[in-house]
Amino acid sequence: AQSVTQPDIHITVSEGASLELRCNYSYGATPYLFWYVQSPGQGLQLLLKYFSGDTLVQGIKGFEAEFKRSQSSFNLRKPSVHWSDAAEYFCAVGAQFLAGTASKLTFGTGTRLQVTL
Amino acid sequence: DARVTQTPRHKVTEMGQEVTMRCQPILGHNTVFWYRQTMMQGLELLAYFRNRAPLDDSGMPKDRFSAEMPDATLATLKIQPSEPRDSAVYFCASGPRGVSYNEQFFGPGTRLTVL
Repeated sequence: AQSVTQPDIHITVSEGASLELRCNYSYGATPYLFWYVQSPGQGLQLLLKYFSGDTLVQGIKGFEAEFKRSQSSFNLRKPSVHWSDAAEYFCAVGAQFLAGTASKLTFGTGTRLQVTL
Repeated sequence: DARVTQTPRHKVTEMGQEVTMRCQPILGHNTVFWYRQTMMQGLELLAYFRNRAPLDDSGMPKDRFSAEMPDATLATLKIQPSEPRDSAVYFCASGPRGVSYNEQFFGPGTRLTVL
């Protein structure tokens, strides 16, 4: 069974500083990996995803993530954080359940990002 | 702008009452997921439908929870009878046809409080 670990429950960064959120996964085959963001009182919005090819993936809002198979990691990065980035971030791993359908996702416990001005 | 919609957005009820939550997936999507989010457990998958057929509901307490898709535009999650421990935010998500690495699109959630 797949699993996801987000070791940092809460991170605080200053506006303009760089950001890296950690994600480690466990899955027997090549995973599908996702990062979602959740603002307070909202649903989850996809930031980016990886399924094959280039291991550095670009997403929305200036975020990127790098897939490192040797480390079973898919860390999320942003070079300069904006106050509006304060939210909760979830890493997820997908497993193919049936061909032709979206995969089942297993989510990490999330990392809450606080941005100080 | 196609979105997943959920109703109601908030629900407060008393223990023992029936609760029904509704979800309208994005038109054309063929998979629907129900998740529950709590502080203690995080995001848990409750049920998973493809082409309206239930594929996996192993995450759902069978004695009180039921999930159905009466038609392609409506998914329902019912709790009967409800208990205080069911208090959580329930999310519906839908996924498009095609490849398995397609992302899921989440609705805004239903915040359920059982007193």
